[in-house]
Amino acid sequence: DVKVTQSSRYLVKRTGEKVFLECVQDMDHENMFWYRQDPGLGLRLIYFSYDVKMKEKGDIPEGYSVSREKKERFSLILESASTNQTSMYLCASSRAGLAYEQYFGPGTRLTVT
Amino acid sequence: GQQLNQSPQSMFIQEGEDVSMNCTSSSIFNTWLWYKQDPGEGPVLLIALYKAGELTSNGRLTAQFGITRKDSFLNISASIPSDVGIYFCAGRTVVAAGNKLTFGGGTRVLVKP
Repeated sequence: DVKVTQSSRYLVKRTGEKVFLECVQDMDHENMFWYRQDPGLGLRLIYFSYDVKMKEKGDIPEGYSVSREKKERFSLILESASTNQTSMYLCASSRAGLAYEQYFGPGTRLTVT
Repeated sequence: GQQLNQSPQSMFIQEGEDVSMNCTSSSIFNTWLWYKQDPGEGPVLLIALYKAGELTSNGRLTAQFGITRKDSFLNISASIPSDVGIYFCAGRTVVAAGNKLTFGGGTRVLVKP
């Protein structure tokens, strides 16, 4: 079974703090993704990565950065958290090639106060 | 970005009922995926469709890849209480970069009081 884990289920941070969200997958997938999920807006792609040290902007990258130093780990960084970044953050992974099936972690609910 | 219109936005089910939901787009897709999300969890992949006209089942769930390649349908037969949750469609357009998916806004399935 594919397993995608995220470092925290719930996180509370203050405005201006630097926040790290970690994601690890154990299926040797090449592709990894970060989404945020907000009521009424569905899942929106923040960043994705095809390979180690490679990253591509998604639809809403502003205010975020990512790091992929190892194949199994993809980190999302909020350089200076703001209240409008309060959301559910979902990490996903998939194989390279024609299999577009993405497998999701349990999510991190981040609250910025 | 691309838009996927998912309907209905919400529905009530009564145990034993068959229910349907669909996803439409103005763009042509070459992949359709259906996910279910339970409260506080990440989406779980239910069914993947890769060919126009394809009909695929997973237990009581059946999904179809529309012949126009612009829509997909999910049916749940003989619904049970644990079918409640949010169902998302997702697709990949023929021009999408890499493994990027577009997600619908979700159909929230609730139990009739």
